[in-house]
Amino acid sequence: EPEVTQTPSHQVTQMGQEVILRCVPISNHLYFYWYRQILGQKVEFLVSFYNNEISEKSEIFDDQFSVERPDGSNFTLKIRSTKLEDSAMYFCASSETLAGLNTEAFFGQGTRLTVV
Amino acid sequence: AQRVTQPEKLLSVFKGAPVELKCNYSYSGSPELFWYVQYSRQRLQLLLRHISRESIKGFTADLNKGETSFHLKKPFAQEEDSAMYYCAPISYNNNDMRFGAGTRLTVKP
Repeated sequence: EPEVTQTPSHQVTQMGQEVILRCVPISNHLYFYWYRQILGQKVEFLVSFYNNEISEKSEIFDDQFSVERPDGSNFTLKIRSTKLEDSAMYFCASSETLAGLNTEAFFGQGTRLTVV
Repeated sequence: AQRVTQPEKLLSVFKGAPVELKCNYSYSGSPELFWYVQYSRQRLQLLLRHISRESIKGFTADLNKGETSFHLKKPFAQEEDSAMYYCAPISYNNNDMRFGAGTRLTVKP
């Protein structure tokens, strides 16, 4: 069964460094998402992406964040200059459709980012 | 602003008891409603979607547009239902799918 894969599973980085979190969505999916979950807290929406552009972003997704679909298969989240409070589990998700009977977002297993 | 509220962070019931996980939303337009579940050490996955009017693993959810609620119910909880449950409306206008804070359901033997 196809699934969303994320790499790496765990990333440790120094404060101020740039990180790129990678996701390979399911191949025929068109809608892509990033979420984060700080330990013990809720799953927070960061950004949605469709047709090579951002559809919606939350207040968390500031200028430090960017997303890209560089080669038609990967979907990346870049954090330009990491802060301690960026430490969280980051989830990627993809969906074939946005609406209808078969709409379902499939989630990756997550990347745990630790900023030290 | 789009908002989804799950008022109970923790819910504990005994096996065989009914369970209801509450969800209220405030979204512009007519969002589509979903429940996602995360079992221990597994990834987030879809439990059910409103539009399908389905019952999955004995769970159902009724959309009440007047109360803007989408509560998840199961008449007889099982131990394997213990998990984190997230209510998630999605707005078609802008591809905005946000999760509620989640309810951790524990079903005791």
